[in-house]
Amino acid sequence: SQTIHQWPATLVQPVGSPLSLECTVEGTSNPNLYWYRQAAGRGLQLLFYSVGIGQISSEVPQNLSASRPQDRQFILSSKKLLLSDSGFYLCAWSQDRIFRGSPLHFGNGTRLTVT
Amino acid sequence: SQQGEEDPQALSIQEGENATMNCSYKTSINNLQWYRQNSGRGLVHLILIRSNEREKHSGRLRVTLDTSKKSSSLLITASRAADTASYFCATDRYSSASKIIFGSGTRLSIRP
Repeated sequence: SQTIHQWPATLVQPVGSPLSLECTVEGTSNPNLYWYRQAAGRGLQLLFYSVGIGQISSEVPQNLSASRPQDRQFILSSKKLLLSDSGFYLCAWSQDRIFRGSPLHFGNGTRLTVT
Repeated sequence: SQQGEEDPQALSIQEGENATMNCSYKTSINNLQWYRQNSGRGLVHLILIRSNEREKHSGRLRVTLDTSKKSSSLLITASRAADTASYFCATDRYSSASKIIFGSGTRLSIRP
């Protein structure tokens, strides 16, 4: 069966520090991968998605970046965190293209607090 | 920008009652999905309805889709305390193969 791992679960970082959140998927190949951010009590904002190694689509201009160095690994990074980067970051994967009705499978998220 | 918007933002009902949540969206879609999120956790997929379907059932869940009004509803029958969670609709965009956009969610509380 497929599983998704996302870490760390919680993170407290000072403003201006770098960020690296990692997400890996097991039990499948060539998944579509997604990074979402959720502000407290709000919906999910799509940040990045990837349909293959090295293919990253950015949805929101900001100081975050994403990379996919391996088929089942998706990394969210920042060189210098801002206070506004605080939030709940969720990684997700789908087996097929969304328009074919493939559901998203989410990790348990990373709670990031920038101080 | 948000594609889907849920209504109401919060809903509190007695255990055993039915809960209805609505979702409106803006652009043409291929399908619409509903997800559930327990506090502090990731989202879990509940049900998907395609644009050529009008109604779909899964256990105590019933989803309807009206593409002419660009709206969907999720009905949970015979609610239980364990149904307490946030519920989100999510839509793709007809013009995009891989993006899925979530609404702002409905926070459902079931009173025992």
